[in-house]
Amino acid sequence: KQEVTQIPAALSVPEGENLVLNCSFTDSAIYNLQWFRQDPGKGLTSLLLIQSSQREQTSGRLNASLDKSSGRSTLYIAASQPGDSATYLCAVPPLGGNQFYFGTGTSLTVIP
Amino acid sequence: NAGVTQTPKFRVLKTGQSMTLLCAQDMNHEYMYWYRQDPGMGLRLIHYSVGEGTTAKGEVPDGYNVSRLKKQNFLLGLESAAPSQTSVYFCASSYNSRVYTGELFFGEGSRLTVL
Repeated sequence: KQEVTQIPAALSVPEGENLVLNCSFTDSAIYNLQWFRQDPGKGLTSLLLIQSSQREQTSGRLNASLDKSSGRSTLYIAASQPGDSATYLCAVPPLGGNQFYFGTGTSLTVIP
Repeated sequence: NAGVTQTPKFRVLKTGQSMTLLCAQDMNHEYMYWYRQDPGMGLRLIHYSVGEGTTAKGEVPDGYNVSRLKKQNFLLGLESAAPSQTSVYFCASSYNSRVYTGELFFGEGSRLTVL
């Protein structure tokens, strides 16, 4: 069974700092990897989807990378803002599987 | 474009009561999922469906039933609610084929309290 780990569980940074969130997975046979954001009391919003053949994807201040061979993905957030405060989760669908496996998330707080 | 819509958003039940959560998606996705999210437990898959008329068990299916009579709708039922089913429930959908798994889209969630 695929195991997805996100470390650290919580992170607090001052506004303006660049930061990296980590996602590790045990089985490299995946279709893609997806990063989500969840605000308190809300649903999950898709941020970036990286296909298994890609190395990275960018959207605005966000950049996600994927290294399948090492079972790792990182989400880089540039020039962090208080509005970036949320929980960030990653998810992977394994090849031949019908479901997504989620990490438990990293809770990010950006201090003004 | 509504995406994934869940109803109701909030519900309070007494132990032993029954209820149904409705999930509707307008993206013509084949795959639909029901998750529950609890503090410290992350997202756990309850049931899922790979197409109209099909359902399958996920990680925590006990106490729940599902139906997918129409492609756009996925219903989650609790026949006899228990306090342990107090949770936030999320529906999600994705486009999948035999060789491709697409982006996962979530609803806003349904907060259920069982007294």
